[in-house]
Amino acid sequence: AQKVTQAQTEISVVEKEDVTLDCVYETRDTTYYLFWYKQPPSGELVFLIRRNSFDEQNEISGRYSWNFQKSTSSFNFTITASQVVDSAVYFCALSEQGGSEKLVFGKGTKLTVNP
Amino acid sequence: DADVTQTPRNRITKTGKRIMLECSQTKGHDRMYWYRQDPGLGLRLIYYSFDVKDINKGEISDGYSVSRQAQAKFSLSLESAIPNQTALYFCATSDGGRETQYFGPGTRLLVL
Repeated sequence: AQKVTQAQTEISVVEKEDVTLDCVYETRDTTYYLFWYKQPPSGELVFLIRRNSFDEQNEISGRYSWNFQKSTSSFNFTITASQVVDSAVYFCALSEQGGSEKLVFGKGTKLTVNP
Repeated sequence: DADVTQTPRNRITKTGKRIMLECSQTKGHDRMYWYRQDPGLGLRLIYYSFDVKDINKGEISDGYSVSRQAQAKFSLSLESAIPNQTALYFCATSDGGRETQYFGPGTRLLVL
C-alpha cells in the first residue's frame, strides 16, 4: 500500500530562519510522482511542485528548494529565509499508479512563521 | 477568473437533508476528483471521473453520489446528510494519469 508520512505535525520558527519539512513515502511502484501543496489559512490548496521518480535532481525555486532521495524514500522541502506569508499547512502527496491515479496525501505539517 | 470553481463556498445544513456541491473547470481537463479533508487526516478521495461516461468510487464513497454533467462539471451529492460528513470538500482536475491535480477553493460543509 502507498503511504506518505509527514512526521512533523507543527513547526514554529521566527522570520528569516530556514526550515525543512520532512516527507517520507512508501510505494512498490518503480514509477511514481511526488507533489507538495500549500494550504494557507484561507483554505485553498496551492500546487508547489511535481517530481517524477526518475529525476533525482534537487530543485530550487526562489526561497523554496526540494531534496528528493530515492535511497531514503524522502522528498523534503526547505524554505530559506522564511517569511510570515509562508505560514500554512504543507502537504506532501504521492500519485498512485494505475486505477484512479489518486493522490495519497500525508497528514500535513503546519508551519507558523512568527515576526 | 479561477480555473476551478466550487459552489457554494460555505454551507450549513441539517441532518437528513439532501445537498449538492458543484464544481466547474475551465482548464479543459478530462479528469475530475472529489476529496474531503478532515482535521489531522489529510485529504481522502470520494469519487473520480476520467470522462463524462466514466465515474468511479474512491476510498470513502459511502453516503455520497456524483454526477458528471459535462466535461467541465462534476457535482457531489449527499443524499441524506449526517454530522460526520462535516468537512472541507475539494474538487480537483487533471490532464491525465499522474499529472498535477489542480484544486478548487473548497466548500466548507457543516451538518447539524
